[in-house]
Amino acid sequence: GEDVEQSLFLSVREGDSSVINCTYTDSSSTYLYWYKQEPGAGLQLLTYIFSNMDMKQDQRLTVLLNKKDKHLSLRIADTQTGDSAIYFCAESGYSSASKIIFGSGTRLSIRP
Amino acid sequence: NAGVTQTPKFQVLKTGQSMTLQCAQDMNHNSMYWYRQDPGMGLRLIYYSASEGTTDKGEVPNGYNVSRLNKREFSLRLESAAPSQTSVYFCASSGGGQGLQETQYFGPGTRLLVL
Repeated sequence: GEDVEQSLFLSVREGDSSVINCTYTDSSSTYLYWYKQEPGAGLQLLTYIFSNMDMKQDQRLTVLLNKKDKHLSLRIADTQTGDSAIYFCAESGYSSASKIIFGSGTRLSIRP
Repeated sequence: NAGVTQTPKFQVLKTGQSMTLQCAQDMNHNSMYWYRQDPGMGLRLIYYSASEGTTDKGEVPNGYNVSRLNKREFSLRLESAAPSQTSVYFCASSGGGQGLQETQYFGPGTRLLVL
């Protein structure tokens, strides 16, 4: 079945760039997402990319999609302490009833 | 516009007790979802409702039932709670016609402890 995989942890120095990677198996994925979960809170959509795009930039966030390798990455420039959270990669198809498949999340910690 | 709300925020149950988790959304979304989140396992879909009046099983439906009471509300019931159901439960909704058909918006979660 469909699967989305991420590494569990990433530690980055404050001010550096963070790159969180994700791989997925469903070649028919239409939407690919990054969600952020802060401690004690629900998931919040951070950014998304359509499968016909290679890159999307939104302020400090850059999403790169390699559809051939089924690889998605999220780059956070100038990482701040407020970026500490769990980041979930997710994918879904086109149908309005499509289910989103989530990865297990990458916990990003920031060191001074 | 409160988005997705869930009650209760936290609950402790004894094995065998029953309870209903409530979820409501005010975004006029068609689809609603229940997930559970366990450490190191991400989110797993329990049940979903593609539209009012329909419900379907997700990845881990055993031990749960759901009701799509109306377009706004989608409840999750544990008939006889087990320790394995200790988890954080998230409700989500999608389909608001805002150009991101599949974006899901999440509630704050319900933390359930079954002793």
